[in-house]
Amino acid sequence: AQSVAQPEDQVNVAEGNPLTVKCTYSVSGNPYLFWYVQYPNRGLQFLLKYITGDNLVKGSYGFEAEFNKSQTSFHLKKPSALVSDSALYFCAVRAAGDSGYALNFGKGTSLLVTP
Amino acid sequence: NAGVTQTPKFQVLKTGQSMTLQCAQDMNHNSMYWYRQDPGMGLRLIYYSASEGTTDKGEVPNGYNVSRLNKREFSLRLESAAPSQTSVYFCASSEQQGKVKGAFFGQGTRLTVV
Repeated sequence: AQSVAQPEDQVNVAEGNPLTVKCTYSVSGNPYLFWYVQYPNRGLQFLLKYITGDNLVKGSYGFEAEFNKSQTSFHLKKPSALVSDSALYFCAVRAAGDSGYALNFGKGTSLLVTP
Repeated sequence: NAGVTQTPKFQVLKTGQSMTLQCAQDMNHNSMYWYRQDPGMGLRLIYYSASEGTTDKGEVPNGYNVSRLNKREFSLRLESAAPSQTSVYFCASSEQQGKVKGAFFGQGTRLTVV
């Protein structure tokens, strides 16, 4: 079985400060890991993915994530937060060998960036 | 380039009514999915179709049926709606085999069952 845990329901950060949104996963075999962002009343938008290779993955809007196999984590980071980054963030996983390609999502973390 | 299109965007049903949520993608993706999103629950997979002609149950299939009409279209049907099915429904599609690009999502259908 595959699962994702996002331990924080909400993360608050001041504009200009670095931000981290945490994600840990559980999967049989090698993981494919994803981060998505959801703005109010919108669908999910892809931010970045880890498939293989370099553990530090860079994505859209200045976001990056670090894959840590020993800690089974894939935390989302950004060096300097913007107010416009305020949104709901979802981590997702699927097993590399999964023929259905369906993603398993965490419960989401609400990011609030204050001016 | 529309991506994933869902209709309708909003719907109110009475308990026991039926309806079909439509989804179409124009990216030539093989796989399509239906998720529901509820507060504090994240996205939960209802059904998916790994390729045209196949469908499989996800985490929460009870009360739903699906049809993969062709490669582009994947519909979700509620035969007898219940208040517990009040939710936001998202359709998604993903890459062809061997190209891992993640899933592309529609804008969602907000369904209220009264």
